[in-house]
Amino acid sequence: DTQMTQSPSSLSASVGDRVTITCRASQSISSYLNWYQQKPGKAPKLLIYAASNLQSGVPSRFSGSGSGTDFTLTISSLQPEDFATYYCQQSYRTPWTFGQGTKVEIK
Amino acid sequence: EVQLVESGGDLVQPGGSLRLSCAASGFTFSSYWMSWVRQAPGKGLEWVANIKQDGSEKYYVDSVKGRFTISRDNAKNSLFLQMNSLRDEDTAVYYCARIWAAVAGIPFDYWGQGSLVTVSS
Repeated sequence: DTQMTQSPSSLSASVGDRVTITCRASQSISSYLNWYQQKPGKAPKLLIYAASNLQSGVPSRFSGSGSGTDFTLTISSLQPEDFATYYCQQSYRTPWTFGQGTKVEIK
Repeated sequence: EVQLVESGGDLVQPGGSLRLSCAASGFTFSSYWMSWVRQAPGKGLEWVANIKQDGSEKYYVDSVKGRFTISRDNAKNSLFLQMNSLRDEDTAVYYCARIWAAVAGIPFDYWGQGSLVTVSS
C-alpha cells in the first residue's frame, strides 16, 4: 500500500499567516494527489486536484505543488474560515489512501 | 445542484449486517464512478470501495474484502454498501462520494453528509 504522511499533524497560526502543509508518499504517485478540507461535523471538501489544480469556487489563496513523492499545500494568507483539518489523498493505485490529517488551529 | 444523501446507518451488534444507501441527484449518475469513504470517531479518512459506472469493476480496501459489497442501481440513481460480519472497528461515519475520473488526480469532487454506523454490543 502507498502510505501518505502529512506534516505537521497540527499547527497553530494567526489570521494573515502563510501556512504550508507537506504530504509525502511512500512511493511515487506521479501527480495523482488531491487535497481536502474538513470542518467539524461536515463532509470533506475538495480544494486541489492533481497536485496543483484549484477546484472551482475555492479561493486563490490556496495552492498546491509537487509531484512524485513530495507535495505541498499552501495557504497564502490564512482566513478565519480556513481553520479546519486538511487531508491529502492519492488515487494513483488502490488502495487509495489518505494522509492522517493536519489540524490548523487558531493561535 | 449535485446532491448525495446517505441513509441506513444504525447501531448494530458485532457480527451483524447493515445496508447503506446513497441517493444521487443533480447529475447523470450512470456516467460516474462512485465510492464509499469512512471516518471512525475522531480519526482520519479511509477509502472503502469504488464501483465503475456500469458496476462491472469494484475495488475494496483489504480490511472489508469478503465482508462488504458495493453496488449500484443506475435506474434509481442509487449507490449501496452491504456490510456483513460487522466488527467494532467498522464503527464510523460512512460517506458516499462521487469520483471525478475525467480529470488528472481522479479526486472525490462531491460528498454526502455521511451516515453513522455504530457496531457495539
